[in-house]
Amino acid sequence: DGGITQSPKYLFRKEGQNVTLSCEQNLNHDAMYWYRQDPGQGLRLIYYSQIVNDFQKGDIAEGYSVSREKKESFPLTVTSAQKNPTAFYLCASRALINTDTQYFGPGTRLTVL
Amino acid sequence: AQSVTQLGSHVSVSEGALVLLRCNYSSSVPPYLFWYVQYPNQGLQLLLKYTTGATLVKGINGFEAEFKKSETSFHLTKPSAHMSDAAEYFCAVTPGAGGSYIPTFGRGTSLIVHP
Repeated sequence: DGGITQSPKYLFRKEGQNVTLSCEQNLNHDAMYWYRQDPGQGLRLIYYSQIVNDFQKGDIAEGYSVSREKKESFPLTVTSAQKNPTAFYLCASRALINTDTQYFGPGTRLTVL
Repeated sequence: AQSVTQLGSHVSVSEGALVLLRCNYSSSVPPYLFWYVQYPNQGLQLLLKYTTGATLVKGINGFEAEFKKSETSFHLTKPSAHMSDAAEYFCAVTPGAGGSYIPTFGRGTSLIVHP
């Protein structure tokens, strides 16, 4: 089945540690996105990429970094510079041609202790 | 610039009652509009979308929404609520054809369904 996978589902880290969240898609989509979700705040865009080896900052990029070395992969690193990293993180993807719909992964819940 | 306002962070209905979730948007260009549903600790699933054409759009699970340009609204409705409809619902807007596809999401409305 085609889709987006995010791993792990739950992640715990100590304060001050960097952590990388995985996002993989086999939909052959060009564009990929990372969102952060906090209760009552909807989804906020962290980073997005429309092509391999290129990405742009979203609204809340500070304290995060990404890479796009392969079309199907878009990992997100939450660095120690992120002041409040505990949240639910969602990855999404979209084909760039003849579609206007994002497809979402199941999410990763990060808790920083 | 674009924005989305979802009126009511929580909506409570009885099973079998009408569901109405409100969404108002602002956009400097003709928009595309979306409703997504999210069950606890899961990703978002597309319910329906409006791009062009017919302003009343039907989606999955018996939901529908009507694009009203004059009211800048895209409210989500379902004639009869089921217990399984209890979830978080998000409205989103993005610039339409030719725009940069970066959607803006509302803060979400939690639908509570009572037996």
